[in-house]
Amino acid sequence: NAGVMQNPRHLVRRRGQEARLRCSPMKGHSHVYWYRQLPEEGLKFMVYLQKENIIDESGMPKERFSAEFPKEGPSILRIQQVVRGDSAAYFCASSDGQFYGYTFGSGTRLTVV
Amino acid sequence: RKEVEQDPGPFNVPEGATVAFNCTYSNSASQSFFWYRQDCRKEPKLLMSVYSSGNEDGRFTAQLNRASQYISLLIRDSKLSDSATYLCAVNRGTNAGKSTFGDGTTLTVKP
Repeated sequence: NAGVMQNPRHLVRRRGQEARLRCSPMKGHSHVYWYRQLPEEGLKFMVYLQKENIIDESGMPKERFSAEFPKEGPSILRIQQVVRGDSAAYFCASSDGQFYGYTFGSGTRLTVV
Repeated sequence: RKEVEQDPGPFNVPEGATVAFNCTYSNSASQSFFWYRQDCRKEPKLLMSVYSSGNEDGRFTAQLNRASQYISLLIRDSKLSDSATYLCAVNRGTNAGKSTFGDGTTLTVKP
């Protein structure tokens, strides 16, 4: 079992470009979560998805950010027109159900220059 | 008030010491509770779930106090390798299903 796979591990974007972060959940897991962690800060919830459905996006900024988890393929977190404040580690996690603990991917470290 | 609060520490303890962390949560409807460990610049890893009856895994013991709305983690006989940040997480168990994390408590175990 390969665990939760995130790519890329590191991503550098210039201000105004788009960033696409990918996450493949653990085999058999249908619940996917995205969290953001700024340097020296805690994990902040962004969005919770199941296949083809956004269940809770209350933590996602209203503009420039979007997420999807299509029927086929990985979950995608998309950030349009990135700004320096978007620089952070973005972690994806998956679980077997809403009452279970998470397995995290190794994260994507986004740097906006 | 934050939904989940932890003492940030740092906790600096000698090898072999016993150390305890507390974590308080504000929503009495919370249903699932967890402790995670995060090493510097790495992903969090699930350490243990916390059950109402309390649970133990080797040197680690987790307890839940619903009346006072806190969970605790006790580490006995600390090892150098226990040095990390410990995160508590609380899940309301509603259809949202997401976990809210505390900001973490940093532990450094010294020789």
